[in-house]
Amino acid sequence: DARVTQTPRDKVTEMGQEVTMRCQPILGHNTVFWYRQTMMQGLELLAYFRNRAPLDDSGMPKDRFSAEMPDATLATLKIQPSEPRDSAVYFCASGLAPGFTEAFFGQGTRLTVV
Amino acid sequence: AQKVTQAQTEISVVEKEDVTLDCVYETRDTTYYLFWYKQPPSGELVFLIRRNSFDEQNEISGRYSWNFQKSTSSFNFTITASQVVDSAVYFCALSEAGSGGYNKLIFGAGTRLAVHP
Repeated sequence: DARVTQTPRDKVTEMGQEVTMRCQPILGHNTVFWYRQTMMQGLELLAYFRNRAPLDDSGMPKDRFSAEMPDATLATLKIQPSEPRDSAVYFCASGLAPGFTEAFFGQGTRLTVV
Repeated sequence: AQKVTQAQTEISVVEKEDVTLDCVYETRDTTYYLFWYKQPPSGELVFLIRRNSFDEQNEISGRYSWNFQKSTSSFNFTITASQVVDSAVYFCALSEAGSGGYNKLIFGAGTRLAVHP
């Protein structure tokens, strides 16, 4: 059963610390998305990649957030330094473009910055 | 620019009632894709359906049905004979196929559905 895997599932960290979230997309998918979900903003697109190349990261605060795909099986989202307002659930999704006949989400990483 | 509007923030129904969740979209592309996802209380996002802009046929899957109308830019979702397990937040999403959008997947704000026994 193919699925998107995200680690960690939960993360509590102190303000100012670096946070790294990881995502393993479904094998064969060529597009990876990072979303942030909060009560106030809903599902915000932070960044996405096609064939490991970043296509759009305009949704990310550039000064503290960075997203990479070191290889086709791993996507990372880093926050440095973290702030309490970064507390949210971060989702990774992968799909097969064009068309996204499949576009599946991981279970998310719940980040709490205290 | 692409945009998805789900005007219904919350809907509350009693079990066995039919309920329709509205989705209106905006796009300049002629080729695009529409999606519905379900987010139950456990938090995961579950893929329900994907339609492309050239296929306006309605689709039925069990108690779920979808009505796609390009004339009104709508892709509505109906649950027939609702059940308590249908309680969730439902998201509509849009992906443009044009080169400008690079298949970005944009979501509406979601509709929270509460089905009471």
